[in-house]
Amino acid sequence: EDKVVQSPLSLVVHEGDTVTLNCSYEVTNFRSLLWYKQEKKAPTFLFMLTSSGIEKKSGRLSSILDKKELSSILNITATQTGDSAIYLCAVEQGGSEKLVFGKGTKLTVNP
Amino acid sequence: GAVVSQHPSWVICKSGTSVKIECRSLDFQATTMFWYRQFPKQSLMLMATSNEGSKATYEQGVEKDKFLINHASLTLSTLTVTSAHPEDSSFYICSAPDRGRTPYNEQFFGPGTRLTVL
Repeated sequence: EDKVVQSPLSLVVHEGDTVTLNCSYEVTNFRSLLWYKQEKKAPTFLFMLTSSGIEKKSGRLSSILDKKELSSILNITATQTGDSAIYLCAVEQGGSEKLVFGKGTKLTVNP
Repeated sequence: GAVVSQHPSWVICKSGTSVKIECRSLDFQATTMFWYRQFPKQSLMLMATSNEGSKATYEQGVEKDKFLINHASLTLSTLTVTSAHPEDSSFYICSAPDRGRTPYNEQFFGPGTRLTVL
């Protein structure tokens, strides 16, 4: 059975801290791994990773994929209260565009 | 980015009634749309793939007679929850890949519909 596992499930930090969110997967016909941020409504796209070892970066957020270890991490540096959200990891299956989601990591950044 | 809308954003209904949820791609054509369900503190679970002009394909364990999907045009897919029961209360989200983008067919999510069945 295809599955995506995220850890930790929840995390509480103070503004300015750096956090690392983890995602591991067992999915047939892997095509890409995606990170989304979900606040109150629909997920918003952060990164898509297809190649191992190449870091994607956007401001204070960065992510890297390790296809050998079947995992990915999402780093957020100098966290702000606006980073508080659920971060979802999803794996896209080739040929179908289907996304298999993890349960998410709920990040709370306190002032 | 592309925009996907859903209507209604929330709905409360009585047990036994049917509820229709619309998903629209506003600025691109979507031959495929995906319907997800998200229970509290759970992840998004894919329910079905909606295909324009053909039958939807359902994930294992999802009753196709209960969750009717119609994808009648390139910009609209509807999900009808028939004979809704309290256990159907959930957050329903649709997504659509914009295949006009390269190199990645980025999927865009609708804002979701909160269904509460009394």
